[in-house]
Amino acid sequence: KQEVTQIPAALSVPEGENLVLNCSFTDSAIYNLQWFRQDPGKGLTSLLLIQSSQREQTSGRLNASLDKSSGRSTLYIAASQPGDSATYLCAVSHPQKLVFGQGTRLTINP
Amino acid sequence: NAGVMQNPRHLVRRRGQEARLRCSPMKGHSHVYWYRQLPEEGLKFMVYLQKENIIDESGMPKERFSAEFPKEGPSILRIQQVVRGDSAAYFCASSPYTGTVNTGELFFGEGSRLTVL
Repeated sequence: KQEVTQIPAALSVPEGENLVLNCSFTDSAIYNLQWFRQDPGKGLTSLLLIQSSQREQTSGRLNASLDKSSGRSTLYIAASQPGDSATYLCAVSHPQKLVFGQGTRLTINP
Repeated sequence: NAGVMQNPRHLVRRRGQEARLRCSPMKGHSHVYWYRQLPEEGLKFMVYLQKENIIDESGMPKERFSAEFPKEGPSILRIQQVVRGDSAAYFCASSPYTGTVNTGELFFGEGSRLTVL
């Protein structure tokens, strides 16, 4: 059974810092990994999708890496802004559905 | 291109009533997924459907819950005889892929928030 863990559960940093969110999964037989953002009371916004054959994806200030063999992914956020405050969810496709982590609640302090 | 549309956004039911949640996938998407998010918990997979077929319902509770995705119209998640523990946000996602393996991106709706009194 695939299990996805995200560490830390919550993170609070000052504006402008670079930060890393971690995601680990127990079964490396995944097809892709997706990072989402969820604002309170809202739906999920897809941030980055990494196919199993890829090692990283970048979009603006976001960079996500994937190491299938070790069952890990990281989401790097550069020059954080208060608008980045949200819950960040990692999900792996295994095989025809996404299995989600519990999320990291990020707060960027002005 | 409109995104995944879910309605109602908020639904209040008394214990024992029925709840019907609707999801219209993105245009051109033929695969729909339902997820449930309990308060302070992560998203849990419930069911995966394509038109007129249930592909994977391994996450659906055995009783009171059912889902369909007819040839015409939205996907429906139906909860009969609701109980307080059914209070949650129910999210629908759609995918465009038509192959045998899901390598595509999932797009989520804004969710339907069910409150059972």
